Amino acid sequence: NAGVTQTPKFRVLKTGQSMTLLCAQDMNHEYMYWYRQDPGMGLRLIHYSVGEGTTAKGEVPDGYNVSRLKKQNFLLGLESAAPSQTSVYFCASSYSDSGDTQYFGPGTRLTVL
Amino acid sequence: AQSVTQLDSQVPVFEEAPVELRCNYSSSVSVYLFWYVQYPNQGLQLLLKYLSGSTLVKGINGFEAEFNKSQTSFHLRKPSVHISDTAEYFCAVSEPGGSYIPTFGRGTSLIVHP
Repeated sequence: NAGVTQTPKFRVLKTGQSMTLLCAQDMNHEYMYWYRQDPGMGLRLIHYSVGEGTTAKGEVPDGYNVSRLKKQNFLLGLESAAPSQTSVYFCASSYSDSGDTQYFGPGTRLTVL
Repeated sequence: AQSVTQLDSQVPVFEEAPVELRCNYSSSVSVYLFWYVQYPNQGLQLLLKYLSGSTLVKGINGFEAEFNKSQTSFHLRKPSVHISDTAEYFCAVSEPGGSYIPTFGRGTSLIVHP
């Protein structure tokens, strides 16, 4: 049981390049989330999904797109990376209730030059 | 919408001393409350959570938290810290039957000195 995994762990991009971050969970969770973590800002929600084929915007969605084609996977895309997107990105998943624990992946450290 | 305030961005403490990390939330309606810990270069993991029942909640690694509805607080405590407790601690709140998206505080960095 791997829990939540994220690929890649590190990435360096040049401004304007695109990339996709992959999140996978093997706990059969309905809900999945993408957060970014910046110093002094805590966790900010980018996008989330309440089930296969559904996505919704979070607090800071601009510049990002997501897809949830399979229940176990949640992809985060950057179409044209900007230095402001330099951050650590965390994926999380949970069951369906607001009292349920979120399970987090180990993070992806992205640097945009 | 809920908001969460973690009053201290950084808490330095010596090993074996007691510690309290403070968390206040905005709403007086029913809430679920969480504390997560993030060790260096890792993702977050649950320390403890309050859903209902006893206001004193015990978690992993000797941590506990007390839910105080009148003061809308959920402070985290440990009677004797270890070097290994050095980490970032996040308080979070969600609403029963409401949005399944928890609101996180900005985090408190606990630094334990030998």
